[in-house]
Amino acid sequence: QVQLVQSGAEVKKPGASVKVSCKASGYSFSGNYIHWVRQAPGQGPEWMGWINPSSGATTYAQKFQGRLTMTRDTSISTTYMDLSSLRSDDTALYYCARQVRTSYYFDYWGQGTLVTVSS
Amino acid sequence: ELVLTQSPGTLSLSPGERATLSCRASQTVDSDYLAWYQQKPGQAPSLLIYDASRRATGIPDRFSGSGSGTDFTLTISRLGPEDSAVYYCQQYGGSHWTFGQGTKVEIK
Repeated sequence: QVQLVQSGAEVKKPGASVKVSCKASGYSFSGNYIHWVRQAPGQGPEWMGWINPSSGATTYAQKFQGRLTMTRDTSISTTYMDLSSLRSDDTALYYCARQVRTSYYFDYWGQGTLVTVSS
Repeated sequence: ELVLTQSPGTLSLSPGERATLSCRASQTVDSDYLAWYQQKPGQAPSLLIYDASRRATGIPDRFSGSGSGTDFTLTISRLGPEDSAVYYCQQYGGSHWTFGQGTKVEIK
């Protein structure tokens, strides 16, 4: 069955960077875009961007341009989300989600990774 | 940037009642690329409806989506205790995705 398994919780200081991983299994890794979505406590989800696991191409939301990097390692079916210059308002649950091939919604989600930014 | 506004913020209803959730877009949603997700505490969002009105696999027919353009609706025809959750709409347009702020459904 399709699974997206994320790395564990992180605690970072303001100004630091965080790298979260998302390992895919149960389907052809190169066949579906992977998106990253974050959710601050008590808030709705916020779309951050996507990566094409086949080509490595990326698109980021304007808000994160310059401090967000998404990469992938096809040998281990894993995508990575790297967010730099962390601020306290980056504290959130970070999810990876799989986009279906034929439309623009997300059919499988990771379990979420809590990133806490605190001095 | 397209903004999705959901209403009401909270809906408190009794089992068996009908819930009607609204999602309004600030601009026309491309080709009705509008989805609805359910999120329960401690869980990731889970897909209910896609392309405005198509039910995802395994979703009971109590859940239905409708609308087009800028106004969309999620209807839960007969509420059960298991439907207590926050519901989010999400749209795609111009290579970007946007979520609404959510409607919390409480079962009395």
